[in-house]
Amino acid sequence: DAGVIQSPRHEVTEMGQEVTLRCKPISGHNSLFWYRQTMMRGLELLIYFNNNVPIDDSGMPEDRFSAKMPNASFSTLKIQPSEPRDSAVYFCASRGGGLSYNEQFFGPGTRLTVL
Amino acid sequence: AQSVAQPEDQVNVAEGNPLTVKCTYSVSGNPYLFWYVQYPNRGLQFLLKYITGDNLVKGSYGFEAEFNKSQTSFHLKKPSALVSDSALYFCAVRGNSGGYQKVTFGTGTKLQVIP
Repeated sequence: DAGVIQSPRHEVTEMGQEVTLRCKPISGHNSLFWYRQTMMRGLELLIYFNNNVPIDDSGMPEDRFSAKMPNASFSTLKIQPSEPRDSAVYFCASRGGGLSYNEQFFGPGTRLTVL
Repeated sequence: AQSVAQPEDQVNVAEGNPLTVKCTYSVSGNPYLFWYVQYPNRGLQFLLKYITGDNLVKGSYGFEAEFNKSQTSFHLKKPSALVSDSALYFCAVRGNSGGYQKVTFGTGTKLQVIP
């Protein structure tokens, strides 16, 4: 298995532009998580999907952020418009087995820089 | 609200010496506890977890952790450190009282193993 796949790996954009981050979870995993990691705030959960349905989006910073999971093998995190304070590493993770205590498998992350 | 504390931002240890990375937690009811490791420019990787049963949990790469309910701790240990163990280590907790509960990650501890 290729693991969790994220694209792009690096994104540099200018303030005000739309940014779309993509994630392909591990096949068969039914839970998907988006995290943001910064030096100041550490690792923050943005949104959690179970069986393609958003269960917890309380971590989504504001209306500029949106996430979708149109099917079991694909999810997107969109920021529109982007701001410099959105600069961070964004991780996607998936979990399988249907058990809440199973471990999460993280992708390599997308390093976003907003100028 | 549940929380995780990793009191040390950085731990330095000489190669071949035992290492300990500390973690304490706060959660309603009984916990599920996890350790993850993050190497530079990579996503988090699962090391080990405590669900129930034996308080000493063994995981990947020779790591182990001891669950101590009275001290609400779950310290990560390894008898003999390797230079390749140098990385960022995250403790995480989730309550096991049923229903949805998100996994809360600590702020991370940087482990530096000195040759």
